[in-house]
Amino acid sequence: GESVGLHLPTLSVQEGDNSIINCAYSNSASDYFIWYKQESGKGPQFIIDIRSNMDKRQGQRVTVLLNKTVKHLSLQIAATQPGDSAVYFCAEGSGGYNKLIFGAGTRLAVHP
Amino acid sequence: GAGVSQTPSNKVTEKGKYVELRCDPISGHTALYWYRQSLGQGPEFLIYFQGTGAADDSGLPNDRFFAVRPEGSVSTLKIQRTERGDSAVYLCASSLQVGIDYGYTFGSGTRLTVV
Repeated sequence: GESVGLHLPTLSVQEGDNSIINCAYSNSASDYFIWYKQESGKGPQFIIDIRSNMDKRQGQRVTVLLNKTVKHLSLQIAATQPGDSAVYFCAEGSGGYNKLIFGAGTRLAVHP
Repeated sequence: GAGVSQTPSNKVTEKGKYVELRCDPISGHTALYWYRQSLGQGPEFLIYFQGTGAADDSGLPNDRFFAVRPEGSVSTLKIQRTERGDSAVYLCASSLQVGIDYGYTFGSGTRLTVV
């Protein structure tokens, strides 16, 4: 089937390098942010989240940074692997967290 | 089941026809969400259910779209008089409950093509 990332900006990195994917969010009232990974033909998969009372959160090989002043979110992936190749979306939520607003997405291409 | 199941995985229909898209959430999950993803874009919220009731349907684009969840488990998204602009991947997600502590699990989606 068609790739979900056909018309998205692409970040190309070498295997083993660190990757940084950026996102500008829209709603200053948003207080919960999530990064998702989406592979072709699959639904979004949760990577890491952060609440607005934090500015940094770390997971396994991933770090999310939040800058509320400029409404900016970033995802850092350490030692990028070919299996990290996918489209990455940031999403923001507020209130009841029953409705997420997704960003446009970035395609990450990892080259051996 | 182990994950959220959506059927069919692909659906091609003619303009003007009626279609139904099915979502089987994870067993025991009370919250169910529908999103629509157009090519090259992020998912957009359509509707969510808490149990059997549609708690928020503000994302449904017009009255041709309707969703039900009669027994609080399986949900069906129904589209009447389909238009070419309805072509997209329709994603379903479920969570144990609504709230920040209960993450979504997405299905793989139904790719709808209206010709």
